[in-house]
Amino acid sequence: GDSVTQMEGPVTLSEEAFLTINCTYTATGYPSLFWYVQYPGEGLQLLLKATKADDKGSNKGFEATYRKETTSFHLEKGSVQVSDSAVYFCALNPPLTGGGNKLTFGTGTQLKVEL
Amino acid sequence: DTEVTQTPKHLVMGMTNKKSLKCEQHMGHRAMYWYKQKAKKPPELMFVYSYEKLSINESVPSRFSPECPNSSLLNLHLHALQPEDSALYLCASSQDGAGKSSGNTIYFGEGSWLTVV
Repeated sequence: GDSVTQMEGPVTLSEEAFLTINCTYTATGYPSLFWYVQYPGEGLQLLLKATKADDKGSNKGFEATYRKETTSFHLEKGSVQVSDSAVYFCALNPPLTGGGNKLTFGTGTQLKVEL
Repeated sequence: DTEVTQTPKHLVMGMTNKKSLKCEQHMGHRAMYWYKQKAKKPPELMFVYSYEKLSINESVPSRFSPECPNSSLLNLHLHALQPEDSALYLCASSQDGAGKSSGNTIYFGEGSWLTVV
């Protein structure tokens, strides 16, 4: 079945540091790939997405590129801020699902950014 | 405007109570979802409605009863819950529930924090 593997957290960085959160997936066909962010006490927000190989999703300074050859969708940001502290979930949506879309989530990676 | 609205934000209920969680979206989406999320875990799918019909039930206990009165509204009726049902309940929606496109994006609400005492 489909699966998503994320790097273990928590990840602790100083403000303005470079961020990478690794995400790899296993799926048949060509799934869509997503990063969701969950701030403390809140629901999930869509951060970015990519729907086909070599697509780059970007939002709020975060980027991720859909790499079919390495089955990866790593999240990066050049300079993190304290306000980026949250839990980040990588997820995939398979290409064929009858009667609804079934997201497969990774385990989540907690990011803590310190001054 | 990508907004899914959930009420109430917090709910405390006893094990013999009957309560409901409500969800609303005005994006014209035809698929709506209930997810359950425990602390430090990813969300787990419970139910999917596609075009107002229940299409997926992930073997959820019958003490959880979903209802989709129309394409914009989704309810989750709760009865005789257990303390282990305490969690964040997330509603979500997407544009096309029929799985015709791989690009469908699922949008989540802020969630309802449920505590069963």
